[in-house]
Amino acid sequence: GQNIDQPTEMTATEGAIVQINCTYQTSGFNGLFWYQQHAGEAPTFLSYNVLDGLEEKGRFSSFLSRSKGYSYLLLKELQMKDSASYLCAVVDSNYQLIWGAGTKLIIKP
Amino acid sequence: IAGITQAPTSQILAAGRRMTLRCTQDMRHNAMYWYRQDLGLGLRLIHYSNTAGTTGKGEVPDGYSVSRANTDDFPLTLASAVPSQTSVYFCASSDDRVHGYTFGSGTRLTVV
Repeated sequence: GQNIDQPTEMTATEGAIVQINCTYQTSGFNGLFWYQQHAGEAPTFLSYNVLDGLEEKGRFSSFLSRSKGYSYLLLKELQMKDSASYLCAVVDSNYQLIWGAGTKLIIKP
Repeated sequence: IAGITQAPTSQILAAGRRMTLRCTQDMRHNAMYWYRQDLGLGLRLIHYSNTAGTTGKGEVPDGYSVSRANTDDFPLTLASAVPSQTSVYFCASSDDRVHGYTFGSGTRLTVV
């Protein structure tokens, strides 16, 4: 079967750095997304990786290793507004998105 | 309208009743999707449409139907609601895999 694994919950301190990991086992691979979802709201697009390596976008970076079936989202200079769930999703061989259950990130002052 | 509009925002529905969740987009995206999101589970695909006039079944299609008469609209119908269909429903669209999916604000449905 297809599977996406993420930690259920993480806690970090305002101003610090946090890394959210995602491992996947899917039938084929055509890219990986990270989305942010605030409580009671819709997911919003953060990043897309299809090649190995690090993609940096402001305070957020996303890394992919296809050989290891692994990605992480790195958030720097954490702000209170970063408190949200972070969803990892993989595009499989049929170009369908397979979603992880999400990681709830709690930021403390 | 900017992006995707879903209606209603929330609904309490008696079991056995029929219900249509509405979804409209103004971005002229070809592909549209319906997901349900339940606590502790990832987004699960109910039905999708790659282009107007075509639809396909996702991971959890039973009890739901869709239609895609035109590019903009993608309604989801529950023929006879059951309590297990209590969930938050998100409609999404895409036209370019690199930029991902755009989601509507969701419909919170409670079946009692």
